[in-house]
Amino acid sequence: DGGITQSPKYLFRKEGQNVTLSCEQNLNHDAMYWYRQDPGQGLRLIYYSQIVNDFQKGDIAEGYSVSREKKESFPLTVTSAQKNPTAFYLCASRPQGQEKLFFGSGTQLSVL
Amino acid sequence: QQQVKQSPQSLIVQKGGIPIINCAYENTAFDYFPWYQQFPGKGPALLIAIRPDVSEKKEGRFTISFNKSAKQFSLHIMDSQPGDSATYFCAASVGGTSYGKLTFGQGTILTVHP
Repeated sequence: DGGITQSPKYLFRKEGQNVTLSCEQNLNHDAMYWYRQDPGQGLRLIYYSQIVNDFQKGDIAEGYSVSREKKESFPLTVTSAQKNPTAFYLCASRPQGQEKLFFGSGTQLSVL
Repeated sequence: QQQVKQSPQSLIVQKGGIPIINCAYENTAFDYFPWYQQFPGKGPALLIAIRPDVSEKKEGRFTISFNKSAKQFSLHIMDSQPGDSATYFCAASVGGTSYGKLTFGQGTILTVHP
């Protein structure tokens, strides 16, 4: 069954802690994206990667880091520098040459 | 200039009604305008999309109307059903490798009463 798997579904972060959100896709898509969703603000782009071993900052990259060592995987680390991390995080992928984004089911991150 | 403004924030209609959600943009370089539907606790899913070279696109009960000169586009849902209750987002992007870099509107929470 093809798709995008995000884990965990819920995550809690303590003060000063880094946490990593997982995103795996078996759609063979080249491009992958991380979006942050806050109530009443729509989705905002954090980081994106067009190809393995390459990624670029989006509109709100401060306090986040990513890696793209494998085509299928695009993990997002929320660092302690991100002072307001509570949000719903969405991973997406897109096949080459097409416009459509495919989203995962998201991870809700909360601060303890 | 990158903003996409969406209205209304919330909308309540009766079953069979025709909710209309509006979006306005400023960046004339945008050339792809999708609408996404999101249910609680889930990721958004593409509903319908349009390019600026057409003024209207219909897929099933969903229609996008596009006004290039006014830099506005809207979603109409014909014969709305309680199952259409969800949050709807408009978005826009420039073309080529930038297609996945979407600028989203703020979202509209639609409630369809039986």
